[in-house]
Amino acid sequence: KAGVTQTPRYLIKTRGQQVTLSCSPISGHRSVSWYQQTPGQGLQFLFEYFSETQRNKGNFPGRFSGRQFSNSRSEMNVSTLELGDSALYLCASSSDPSSQETQYFGPGTRLLVL
Amino acid sequence: AQSVAQPEDQVNVAEGNPLTVKCTYSVSGNPYLFWYVQYPNRGLQFLLKYITGDNLVKGSYGFEAEFNKSQTSFHLKKPSALVSDSALYFCAVRGPLIGSGTYKYIFGTGTRLKVLA
Repeated sequence: KAGVTQTPRYLIKTRGQQVTLSCSPISGHRSVSWYQQTPGQGLQFLFEYFSETQRNKGNFPGRFSGRQFSNSRSEMNVSTLELGDSALYLCASSSDPSSQETQYFGPGTRLLVL
Repeated sequence: AQSVAQPEDQVNVAEGNPLTVKCTYSVSGNPYLFWYVQYPNRGLQFLLKYITGDNLVKGSYGFEAEFNKSQTSFHLKKPSALVSDSALYFCAVRGPLIGSGTYKYIFGTGTRLKVLA
């Protein structure tokens, strides 16, 4: 099975712009979670989608949003970018985290905001 | 509140020596515990998990972890370290069931393992 894929792998944006990141889960997985990883804060949970519905949300401002499509692919959008949004954004998929299923991570999208 | 702690920012070990990366947790109810490894410019790779059963869990790449309920620990171990094991290691615990019928995963801050040749 192919693993979790994320595109693009690298992005450079300027403050005030917006960005959309994409995640394709492992085939058959219906849950997609997004995390922000920074050296100072570690892994911070952003949100989780299951069957096109957001089931869980972390403590991030409304500038961070996401959605999931019927094929389980997910996108994350960040509007009005700030310097502090520079991070590695990781996506993880599982069949359903309400069971014992493990989350499997993609390689991440590294976002640099200038 | 559910939490997980990795008390060491960095662990150095000589190649061929045994290694231990520490993790302690705080959960209500039965803990579901995980270890992940992250190599530079890569995502997290799943190593192993404890759900129930034997306290010694075996995982990928020769790693194992020992669940100790009385000490609320889940330390990662390997009998003989390799230079290629040098990476960032994360311990995680599955948090409480949320009203929407899902769980939140809580990650430790990570421990950087350096295996010296």
